[in-house]
Amino acid sequence: DAKTTQPTSMDCAEGRAANLPCNHSTISGNEYVYWYRQIHSQGPQYIIHGLKNNETNEMASLIITEDRKSSTLILPHATLRDTAVYYCIVRVASGANNLFFGTGTRLTVIP
Amino acid sequence: GAVVSQHPSWVICKSGTSVKIECRSLDFQATTMFWYRQFPKQSLMLMATSNEGSKATYEQGVEKDKFLINHASLTLSTLTVTSAHPEDSSFYICSATERGAKNIQYFGAGTRLSVL
Repeated sequence: DAKTTQPTSMDCAEGRAANLPCNHSTISGNEYVYWYRQIHSQGPQYIIHGLKNNETNEMASLIITEDRKSSTLILPHATLRDTAVYYCIVRVASGANNLFFGTGTRLTVIP
Repeated sequence: GAVVSQHPSWVICKSGTSVKIECRSLDFQATTMFWYRQFPKQSLMLMATSNEGSKATYEQGVEKDKFLINHASLTLSTLTVTSAHPEDSSFYICSATERGAKNIQYFGAGTRLSVL
């Protein structure tokens, strides 16, 4: 599996966009980028995933660079409830494979 | 969206007793379920992977006789911590994937186990 690198922590003002970067320079052609988050004392929550095109859903947007070596998760209007640890994971989409959770980015949304 | 229910959310038990944790997929058939463990201030660590109707595959260092996993149906998997000891106290989390769902895992809320 491709290794990912994320900043340890970030702060974001409430109501502003939160941009969480992830580097995955060794990503393979058939590997997707997945984002999950874990709010304190809860199970992780799936956010979004993508292969090479930018993706958007009701929770967030995922911007993947053209060379696919990095990506950015964007929470357009961060709220206090978005305070969590965000994990960027690279994995193939086929089959049912476990996810490797690294250390993630601890996002703190500040009032 | 896909919902995974995990029960109980919190359990306290005496050392030497066994504890069973249930994981149910409520609105989809889970071909594969995963069990993770998370210690305070650490990331999730995979314990085992289970497919419906077959034996679970355990990660290295996880004792299969201590952590019994049963995936009897497409909507239910159970984890039994046998002869629990204080060092087994942790946050246990299950997840499930649906066939053809692009490898997306849906997670339960977790079970906090405290062994006295």
